Amino acid sequence: DAGITQSPRHKVTETGTPVTLRCHQTENHRYMYWYRQDPGHGLRLIHYSYGVKDTDKGEVSDGYSVSRSKTEDFLLTLESATSSQTSVYFCAISASDRNDYGYTFGSGTRLTVV
Amino acid sequence: AQSVTQLGSHVSVSEGALVLLRCNYSSSVPPYLFWYVQYPNQGLQLLLKYTSAATLVKGINGFEAEFKKSETSFHLTKPSAHMSHAAEYFCAVSDRANAGNMLTFGGGTRLMVKP
Repeated sequence: DAGITQSPRHKVTETGTPVTLRCHQTENHRYMYWYRQDPGHGLRLIHYSYGVKDTDKGEVSDGYSVSRSKTEDFLLTLESATSSQTSVYFCAISASDRNDYGYTFGSGTRLTVV
Repeated sequence: AQSVTQLGSHVSVSEGALVLLRCNYSSSVPPYLFWYVQYPNQGLQLLLKYTSAATLVKGINGFEAEFKKSETSFHLTKPSAHMSHAAEYFCAVSDRANAGNMLTFGGGTRLMVKP
């Protein structure tokens, strides 16, 4: 979607190395989310943010950290990548405090840990 | 806690046939419900949503879903399938007490359309 971009789109990294994925939005939305998508599991929430410097854990947060120093950027860091973190990662944004608008998703980052 | 179950990880229909993708939810409070579609190598796009107005919701590309509280269901239908509808579909739920506006997704249903 035009208002949300993820980088990189693809990355291959080695086990044990740190990796940072970036989500950038131009919509000035308050809420930002990181999900991972794995076959049979749908999308699972890793971390989310409800404002600058305000973040919280999701369902599968172990091994991941996030930071949001500006409204437009939400970074996801894998502290020490493992093969189980091979996945497709999606960032999403939401404007509504009532969550009746749903999310807008980025195009995803395909991460392979070898 | 909220949850979503999508019955059938794969559904195959013939072109022109009815599409029915099933979604059941669990929520402690009246929910908001969503259907998303994902085409290969793309992100998810919102198809339609239920936010407590009409129980029959119309979305893009002729898709519809009906909220049935008694059955805790929100099944997605399309009267006539087309090859272009082949994709993965996700149902999602958000309860209104959810301070983080978080959506919980089902496991997804891959729709295949046979010529």
